[in-house]
Amino acid sequence: DIVMTQSPATLSVSPGERATLSCRASQSVSSNLAWYQQKPGQAPRLLIYGASTRATGIPARFSGSASGTEFTLTISSLQSEDFAVYYCQQYNNWPPFTFGQGTKLEIK
Amino acid sequence: QVQLQESGPGLVKPSQTLSLTCTVSGGSITSGDYYWSWIRQPPGKGLEWIGYIYFSGDTYYNPSLKSRVSISMDTSKNLFSLNVNSLTAADTAVYYCARVSGSSSFYGLIDYWGQGTLVTVSS
Repeated sequence: DIVMTQSPATLSVSPGERATLSCRASQSVSSNLAWYQQKPGQAPRLLIYGASTRATGIPARFSGSASGTEFTLTISSLQSEDFAVYYCQQYNNWPPFTFGQGTKLEIK
Repeated sequence: QVQLQESGPGLVKPSQTLSLTCTVSGGSITSGDYYWSWIRQPPGKGLEWIGYIYFSGDTYYNPSLKSRVSISMDTSKNLFSLNVNSLTAADTAVYYCARVSGSSSFYGLIDYWGQGTLVTVSS
């Protein structure tokens, strides 16, 4: 199974600043990588798919990029509603689907 | 707009069997364009994929749970179900049902999730 490793586990950033979250795959997943945002008590929400395509209704401040097996989610100017847990997930080699362990983005 | 809604007991005793249902609206589970999946999340922890069922009835289960899990579907009611037997406290989690794309452009993308239902395993 492909292992997805996210870093850091917790990221403290001030509102208005940029946040950069990382996700590494244990082997190639091509561009079949998704990012999800999860707020307390809610289901994950699809943010990015295909490593860099924003899902419907996702603000432009969210962007995704890839370099080999390294993936990055960037939030350009943090809003209060962006503080949440973010998960990456590969859908290149499935089943099984595999998720990263999550990065908690908290207010500094 | 597709919607998925989980239902089932919130509390189950150890060693018993959990049965959950996911009712789908806004789309048919008999569409060959999608796989219907279950995912769970223990409190304060990450996401664990459980398995899926396809419109043909084909299923696939996470090897870590395969011996205790089964997924079925009821096309007349447009729903699919999850059974987990031999429950322990480690099965306490929020259980989500989800739709997985089977179309070539988005093959494997999890595009819709239910709101989730918390299941506690305790005597």
